[in-house]
Amino acid sequence: EAQLVESGGGLVQPGGSLRLSCAASRFSFSSYEMTWLRQAPGKGLEWVSYIGNSGGTPYYADSVKGRFTISRDNAKNSLYLQMNSLRAEDTAVYYCARVSSSLRFDPWGQGTQVTVSS
Amino acid sequence: QTVVTQEPSFSVSPGGTVTLTCGLSSGSVSTTYYPSWYQQTPGQAPRTLIYSTDIRSSGVPDRFSGSILGNKAALTITGAQADDESDYYCVLYMGSGINWVFGGGTKLTVL
Repeated sequence: EAQLVESGGGLVQPGGSLRLSCAASRFSFSSYEMTWLRQAPGKGLEWVSYIGNSGGTPYYADSVKGRFTISRDNAKNSLYLQMNSLRAEDTAVYYCARVSSSLRFDPWGQGTQVTVSS
Repeated sequence: QTVVTQEPSFSVSPGGTVTLTCGLSSGSVSTTYYPSWYQQTPGQAPRTLIYSTDIRSSGVPDRFSGSILGNKAALTITGAQADDESDYYCVLYMGSGINWVFGGGTKLTVL
């Protein structure tokens, strides 16, 4: 069964940076599009960013455009999210997910907590 | 700004049937939005229930079904069980560029 494991979360000050990683296993990572999503405390889910299976043009939610950068390394079966100029409102659990057939997110990782606070 | 609408909360009796909906602030939901539904319990990652309107994900009980009802996507739970008490999120693929928008989620209580 496909598995995704996020890492790299933590506490960061406003204006700071953080890089999240997502390690993929048990599926052909290079064949799939990937995405990042997040969930602020007590709030709903929000799509954050998308990348094609071989990279290519990334896409971002308006809320993170210009501050976050998605990337991947197919040789390492890994997905990344570089987050710069972090704000308090970026505080959330960040999930990576595979974009499976018919544009669904499946599976999801277990999530990594990002807290932006002074 | 596209807003995807869901009922904030819903209650169903054990064994009962409930239909949760997923609409648009402007316009109708159709299959071209590839509506999908996710179930989330506290502290857990979301789990895929339904995708592409009405396709049940692997391992999902057949008491969960998806459809288009009128101008909305719908998730119906037939014969609700106690462990169906969860948050349910729909998401629509907006198509222009690559863009998905989630609804605010429905908190389902089974009592």
